[in-house]
Amino acid sequence: GAGVSQSPSNKVTEKGKDVELRCDPISGHTALYWYRQRLGQGLEFLIYFQGNSAPDKSGLPSDRFSAERTGESVSTLTIQRTQQEDSAVYLCASSQGVRRYEQYFGPGTRLTVT
Amino acid sequence: GEDVEQSLFLSVREGDSSVINCTYTDSSSTYLYWYKQEPGAGLQLLTYIFSNMDMKQDQRLTVLLNKKDKHLSLRIADTQTGDSAIYFCAEMTGGYNKLIFGAGTRLAVHP
Repeated sequence: GAGVSQSPSNKVTEKGKDVELRCDPISGHTALYWYRQRLGQGLEFLIYFQGNSAPDKSGLPSDRFSAERTGESVSTLTIQRTQQEDSAVYLCASSQGVRRYEQYFGPGTRLTVT
Repeated sequence: GEDVEQSLFLSVREGDSSVINCTYTDSSSTYLYWYKQEPGAGLQLLTYIFSNMDMKQDQRLTVLLNKKDKHLSLRIADTQTGDSAIYFCAEMTGGYNKLIFGAGTRLAVHP
């Protein structure tokens, strides 16, 4: 079956503009995660969705970052008034209910803020 | 707090074994993971181990967990050029809501 997909694969934006990143999880996966990977670093957790429960937003770095998910489908990560330090690869992962300890990652969106 | 550390670089000869090491700080970690990232690609889940185990073997991969020392290692037998990549150690703590990653170890395989 299809894996996690993300779009766009690359995004270049000007400082101060808003961007929206999209994630399509694996079908049937109830949990969805967003991470950020800065150049040469490991992944930083941003936000977690599980079914209809309130999301865990504890990793969002500022109020310029927000994310939504409708049910158990697509999620969008929005970054408002982008800054140069937002440049990174944004990775989405999903996991299945009974095997939530296995997170499968998408290819990421490389965001460059100029 | 939660922290995962790993060495940044490892170079091995093709055919030799590679051992990548990782230390973590959270004693309540439930699962520990190894992910592989090839250039321009996303993360591939290689293997993971539950915290009540001390070893897991999967073909050429052997994971060793020393819970007392909070030390995790990944051994790759008969390392091939296709194993060249960045390997990330990660831990899952408490619930299932997030993974804490190390900075990654770049494995270079030379002939």
